[in-house]
Amino acid sequence: AQSVTQLGSHVSVSEGALVLLRCNYSSSVPPYLFWYVQYPNQGLQLLLKYTTGATLVKGINGFEAEFKKSETSFHLTKPSAHMSDAAEYFCAVSDSGGYQKVTFGIGTKLQVIP
Amino acid sequence: DGGITQSPKYLFRKEGQNVTLSCEQNLNHDAMYWYRQDPGQGLRLIYYSQIVNDFQKGDIAEGYSVSREKKESFPLTVTSAQKNPTAFYLCASSTPGRDYEQYFGPGTRLTVT
Repeated sequence: AQSVTQLGSHVSVSEGALVLLRCNYSSSVPPYLFWYVQYPNQGLQLLLKYTTGATLVKGINGFEAEFKKSETSFHLTKPSAHMSDAAEYFCAVSDSGGYQKVTFGIGTKLQVIP
Repeated sequence: DGGITQSPKYLFRKEGQNVTLSCEQNLNHDAMYWYRQDPGQGLRLIYYSQIVNDFQKGDIAEGYSVSREKKESFPLTVTSAQKNPTAFYLCASSTPGRDYEQYFGPGTRLTVT
């Protein structure tokens, strides 16, 4: 079984400040890990993903995440928040088996304060 | 441009009526999925289909039905048996073992009164 825990359902940062959204996962097999972003009343858009290889993954819009196996974490960061980053962010885990079942976290709403 | 379309964007129905949500993809993906999204609960899997004419129940399939007669299409019917159908419904597709991630449509917001 796999699961995802996102710490903090709401996070507020000032414009220009560091963005840190936390995600911990559990998986019985080597995981694939994802971060998605959702703007109001829209679908989810992939920010970045980890499958194999380099543990520091860079995504779109200046976001990056680091896979830390020892800590079972995949935290999302961005050095400087922009107003347009205000959205809901979902961490997800998938097993690397034949059927790709994806388990999503409950989401973190990011508020950016001017 | 390739992508996933869902229609309509907003849907209103009276309690007791069945309603069908459309999902079409032109990404040539084998697998398709339906999720339900409620505030504070993330995404929950309703049904998924790995190939045409085959589909499996997800975590919350009760009160829903699907069909997969064509690779491009995966409509979801919300039946009157679904006790709390008001939600945001998301369709996704992927090709397992190739892209790894799922691609999402824009969603349909269903309101039942």
